[in-house]
Amino acid sequence: AQKITQTQPGMFVQEKEAVTLDCTYDTSDQSYGLFWYKQPSSGEMIFLIYQGSYDEQNATEGRYSLNFQKARKSANLVISASQLGDSAMYFCAMREGVASYDKVIFGPGTSLSVIP
Amino acid sequence: GAVVSQHPSWVICKSGTSVKIECRSLDFQATTMFWYRQFPKQSLMLMATSNEGSKATYEQGVEKDKFLINHASLTLSTLTVTSAHPEDSSFYICSASGQGPNSLPDNSPLHFGNGTRLTVT
Repeated sequence: AQKITQTQPGMFVQEKEAVTLDCTYDTSDQSYGLFWYKQPSSGEMIFLIYQGSYDEQNATEGRYSLNFQKARKSANLVISASQLGDSAMYFCAMREGVASYDKVIFGPGTSLSVIP
Repeated sequence: GAVVSQHPSWVICKSGTSVKIECRSLDFQATTMFWYRQFPKQSLMLMATSNEGSKATYEQGVEKDKFLINHASLTLSTLTVTSAHPEDSSFYICSASGQGPNSLPDNSPLHFGNGTRLTVT
């Protein structure tokens, strides 16, 4: 069963506007971590932001923020002031457990295109 | 910090041959390495988890005799695609995480290599 769902295969956003990329997840674990990664066309995986299941505040990293709604099991990524360089694939990922040896699984991804 | 180096970045091989991909953690001790495969326009699919000094744990549907994983040291894991076929053509990417005083803290993100694009002709 799909544990991570990203319902937006593709998204467009005007440069300098904000955009929200959706992510819902399914787990029965109490301790887990949620990640967002960016993958440009070059293929490298770039870590953007992390949210732990016990973190009470939403994570923020520069222009990236994570809208964490635990009861709804959603972890949406918000990118503010979009830039042309933000055009890429974006993957939501989950680690069931909090240890560095716990595996991380990825959602299907959202392709974001920033329009000048 | 937390640099992961993966080689080669791309490789073309003939059907029936074997290909070895290396993944090295350059500035930390990677007690665990994960190997993913990504087909075009798809997500990363976890193939296996390797812990230093022990046998790899393979995900369901991944042939362990075809995809040999060795994690002999805290800084190196290798994936060997044996008897490669055209359907094995894909983007393979490793990631590493670690524990202990010389490694990354818990809850740290995975640090990825730059991936290997394998084409089997």
